Amino acid sequence: SQTIHQWPATLVQPVGSPLSLECTVEGTSNPNLYWYRQAAGRGLQLLFYSVGIGQISSEVPQNLSASRPQDRQFILSSKKLLLSDSGFYLCAWSVLGQNEKLFFGSGTQLSVL
Amino acid sequence: DQQVKQNSPSLSVQEGRISILNCDYTNSMFDYFLWYKKYPAEGPTFLISISSIKDKNEDGRFTVFLNKSAKHLSLHIVPSQPGDSAVYFCAASARGSNYKLTFGKGTLLTVNP
Repeated sequence: SQTIHQWPATLVQPVGSPLSLECTVEGTSNPNLYWYRQAAGRGLQLLFYSVGIGQISSEVPQNLSASRPQDRQFILSSKKLLLSDSGFYLCAWSVLGQNEKLFFGSGTQLSVL
Repeated sequence: DQQVKQNSPSLSVQEGRISILNCDYTNSMFDYFLWYKKYPAEGPTFLISISSIKDKNEDGRFTVFLNKSAKHLSLHIVPSQPGDSAVYFCAASARGSNYKLTFGKGTLLTVNP
C-alpha cells in the first residue's frame, strides 16, 4: 500500500532563517506531488505541484520554492522566512488517471517568529 | 477570488441527527467535486466525491448532492456520530487544469453526544 511521510510535524523558525520541509511517498511510482498550505482562517492553497523529476509548477508568487530531486521525494524550501510564511504545510500525492483524488501527509505546522 | 465557498465556519449537531454541510462554487468549468475530512494536526483524508454528470452519490452514512444550476453541493451525514467531529473541506477540480484541486475554507462540524 502507498504511504506518504512528511516531516517535521512542527517547526518554529525565526524570521530570516532558511526552511526545508521534506516529503516522501512509498508504494507508488511516478506520482504527481503537491505542496499545499493552510494559513489561519483560510482554505487549503496549492503552492506547487510536480508531474515528474525536476518538473515544478508554481501556483502563486511567494517566498518559497520546491524541488523534486527523486521520483518520490518533494522538498519545500525558503532562503529567508517571512512572518507570513507561517501556516500548516501539507504534502500530497495522486496517481495518473485519478488526479482528482489527493492523498495527504500528516502536515507540518510552521511558526515563524 | 474564492472559487469554492463554504460560508458556514462551524456547525453543531446532536448525535443521531443529520448534519448538512454546504458548499458553493463560482467556476462553471469545475466538473468534479470532493469532500475531505480533517482532524487537528493531521492531513485531510478523502471522504466522498461526485462527478458533474451525477446529482447524487452515496457511501454509507455519507451522501453528496450536486445542483449544477445553482452551483451548489452539500454533504449529508446520517446519523451523525461524535467521531464525525472534524473540519470538512469542499474541493473542486476542472478538466484540463491538470486536475488541481481548489479548496474551500472548511466547516468545523461538532457532533454532541
